Amino acid sequence: EAQVTQNPRYLITVTGKKLTVTCSQNMNHEYMSWYRQDPGLGLRQIYYSMNVEVTDKGDVPEGYKVSRKEKRNFPLILESPSPNQTSLYFCASTLKGPREDEQFFGPGTRLTVL
Amino acid sequence: GEDVEQSLFLSVREGDSSVINCTYTDSSSTYLYWYKQEPGAGLQLLTYIFSNMDMKQDQRLTVLLNKKDKHLSLRIADTQTGDSAIYFCAASRGANNLFFGTGTRLTVIP
Repeated sequence: EAQVTQNPRYLITVTGKKLTVTCSQNMNHEYMSWYRQDPGLGLRQIYYSMNVEVTDKGDVPEGYKVSRKEKRNFPLILESPSPNQTSLYFCASTLKGPREDEQFFGPGTRLTVL
Repeated sequence: GEDVEQSLFLSVREGDSSVINCTYTDSSSTYLYWYKQEPGAGLQLLTYIFSNMDMKQDQRLTVLLNKKDKHLSLRIADTQTGDSAIYFCAASRGANNLFFGTGTRLTVIP
């Protein structure tokens, strides 16, 4: 089944404790992206990747890192999480790019930073 | 920068039509999209329209685009309880990004 998976689905952590949210897709998509969803703000893009070893900042990259060592995986890294990073996070992938191709979204990761 | 605005809430009775509105600011957006988010799930593409089109119909869904006013709407005919969800408008920004609105929470009253 074609899908985007994220792990964990739920995470409660404390300020400053490094964490990684994994994202994996099995559709051989080149483009992958991370978004955060906050009430009243909609979805905002954090980082995206056009292909392996090619990443770029979205609209809200501060406090986040990403890597794209393999085509299928695009982990989101929070080196020193802070409470303002409490949010619902979505990973998405598309074949080439989100303009012409449908974006497939993962199920979301709800992160709480205490 | 780009701004995409939607009203936050809409309630309709089952069987009525729903109209969800969206305005965007970037006139260079060539593609405009509607995504649906069901409770506890990620977003799913419902439909999209090219900026050189005025209207697109797909079964119960009708998308209208007024490019001059930068206004996009999604009409759902014969709205069902299964249509209750958050609906996001999105506009393409260059070739590599989409810019999403705040989402409209549609509640269908039986």
